[in-house]
Amino acid sequence: GQQLNQSPQSMFIQEGEDVSMNCTSSSIFNTWLWYKQDPGEGPVLLIALYKAGELTSNGRLTAQFGITRKDSFLNISASIPSDVGIYFCAGQLYGTASKLTFGTGTRLQVTL
Amino acid sequence: GAVVSQHPSRVICKSGTSVKIECRSLDFQATTMFWYRQFPKKSLMLMATSNEGSKATYEQGVEKDKFLINHASLTLSTLTVTSAHPEDSSFYICSAAPQGYSGNTIYFGEGSWLTVV
Repeated sequence: GQQLNQSPQSMFIQEGEDVSMNCTSSSIFNTWLWYKQDPGEGPVLLIALYKAGELTSNGRLTAQFGITRKDSFLNISASIPSDVGIYFCAGQLYGTASKLTFGTGTRLQVTL
Repeated sequence: GAVVSQHPSRVICKSGTSVKIECRSLDFQATTMFWYRQFPKKSLMLMATSNEGSKATYEQGVEKDKFLINHASLTLSTLTVTSAHPEDSSFYICSAAPQGYSGNTIYFGEGSWLTVV
């Protein structure tokens, strides 16, 4: 099935640093979602975006819905150890139901 | 917030046997449930979409007779892996959406680890 391309694939950063990751697609989406998954757990929703150009924050997290509707980015400011995990973007195709297409994931490691 | 629970969280079964995984929405009625499969260090791949009272819609390449999905009520969907083989070992995750859903009202379960020996 289709997957969204996320970059970078993995990141090793120091506590306190800012993080940026993005997600691109060849298809247009009408909703972009960002999830965090801890090992052995289901994904947890971080931010949902519904309009092209929309910029939304959730605490230290900020995400934007690309103008072309084919991309999105997620920023994490002042990273802390509990930010460790895998971050997935997901898109909801225009005109479909709640079916989500997930990105390839970005693995974040935070060192003290 | 809404809670989706999966059971069992971990299961080991012998090759050739069948195993059932349950997905329950605990505090809302889920008209639609989704089943995903995730291999280690890989993304979630949608297997099928399950609508209450009707047949599941399977994604391309997913064997319907291998992965039986039943959504008999508004709070329960089951995934049965039939005649399991070691290559079926994976992390299976469900999600559920209530009526009138939007992108942020799709709730994920905790996942179920299946190991076939």
